[in-house]
Amino acid sequence: SQTIHQWPATLVQPVGSPLSLECTVEGTSNPNLYWYRQAAGRGLQLLFYSVGIGQISSEVPQNLSASRPQDRQFILSSKKLLLSDSGFYLCAWSGTGLPSGANVLTFGAGSRLTVL
Amino acid sequence: GQNIDQPTEMTATEGAIVQINCTYQTSGFNGLFWYQQHAGEAPTFLSYNVLDGLEEKGRFSSFLSRSKGYSYLLLKELQMKDSASYLCAALNYGGSQGNLIFGKGTKLSVKP
Repeated sequence: SQTIHQWPATLVQPVGSPLSLECTVEGTSNPNLYWYRQAAGRGLQLLFYSVGIGQISSEVPQNLSASRPQDRQFILSSKKLLLSDSGFYLCAWSGTGLPSGANVLTFGAGSRLTVL
Repeated sequence: GQNIDQPTEMTATEGAIVQINCTYQTSGFNGLFWYQQHAGEAPTFLSYNVLDGLEEKGRFSSFLSRSKGYSYLLLKELQMKDSASYLCAALNYGGSQGNLIFGKGTKLSVKP
């Protein structure tokens, strides 16, 4: 069976510090990978998605970046955090192709980031 | 533009039925998902509709009308554990990629 791991679960970072969140998927090959952010009172916002190694699409201009160095590894980074980067970050995966009832988006447990 | 609307909060009584509505406007609609999210946890998949009509899964059912840009999630025989946020998400397909656009979620409180 497939599993998705995301870490760290919580972190508190000062403004201007760097960020690295990591996500790995097990039990599948060539997954589509996603990073979402959920800020208080707002819906899930798609930040990045990837259909393969080194292939990253950005949905929202920001000071965040994503990388996919291996097939089942997805990393979210920032060189300098802003207060507005606080939120609940969720990694997700789906199989190749469009999401559907047979190819659902499955989320990791999330990383709660507080920027002070 | 793309827009997903659903009520912010709802309250219902244990054992009752509740309907959570969702309206959407997307440029390349290709399906509607419902997710459940308990506080502080990740969303989990509940249902998917791509054709008009009702899909039933146990106590949960989901309905879609593509012509009206409308969906609802129906929860029967409510239990306390159903207290959670329910997220409506439209699959937007453009070019060669499809992405889920999420609403802000409806926070459902089930009371004894």
